[in-house]
Amino acid sequence: QVQLQESGPGLVKPSETLSLTCTVSGGSISSYYWSWIRQPPGKGLEWIGHIYYSGSTNYNPSLKNRVTISVDTSKNQFSLRVSSVTAADTAVYYCARVDYYYDSGSRQYYFDSWGQGTLVTVSS
Amino acid sequence: QSVLTQPPSVSGAPGQRVTISCTGSSSNIGAGYYVHWYQQLPGTAPKLLIFGDNNRPSGVPDRFSDSKSGTSASLAITGLQAEDEADYYCQSYDSSLSGSVFGGGTKLTVL
Repeated sequence: QVQLQESGPGLVKPSETLSLTCTVSGGSISSYYWSWIRQPPGKGLEWIGHIYYSGSTNYNPSLKNRVTISVDTSKNQFSLRVSSVTAADTAVYYCARVDYYYDSGSRQYYFDSWGQGTLVTVSS
Repeated sequence: QSVLTQPPSVSGAPGQRVTISCTGSSSNIGAGYYVHWYQQLPGTAPKLLIFGDNNRPSGVPDRFSDSKSGTSASLAITGLQAEDEADYYCQSYDSSLSGSVFGGGTKLTVL
């Protein structure tokens, strides 16, 4: 059973860069897509982006200019960086494994394993 | 404003059946992308509940089922239990955004 664990600072100052790492255990990071999802306090889920183990990425257009996701297969980790943060970036950040299957001629992506989440507060 | 629209809340008595709708558009559900459902118990991470056409991960009871029609999908919960009280989210893929999208979430209250 794969397990995911987020780590990183819980407090970031406005205009600085938020950095988080997700460590994958109980399975290899290879052959899967991996994603970051966030949830502002009391609100719903927002997909941030995903990365394939080979390094190819796809980002939410609303965050694309500020987000970078990278992968380190030697450490079985992938990471998130969000630049120029504001209070609106305060949220619980989750990492998740992405699985997919083919149906109706398209890939059907879903998130089958999640980390416990880590709260990141943007405040001076 | 979420790309997928869910009712903010639903409720039902123990033993009853409730449904949660998820409405999208021609670039996601209407384009043939399936809806997947997640359950988030208070203070915990979301958990995959149903993926694709009524596929349930191991351990998810068959009281949970889903259906799809046009640009909408629905999650049905039968034999409602107190432990089902949680937030439920739908998720799909949107071709115009080239990424995953979520509904705003529905809070289920067991009366």
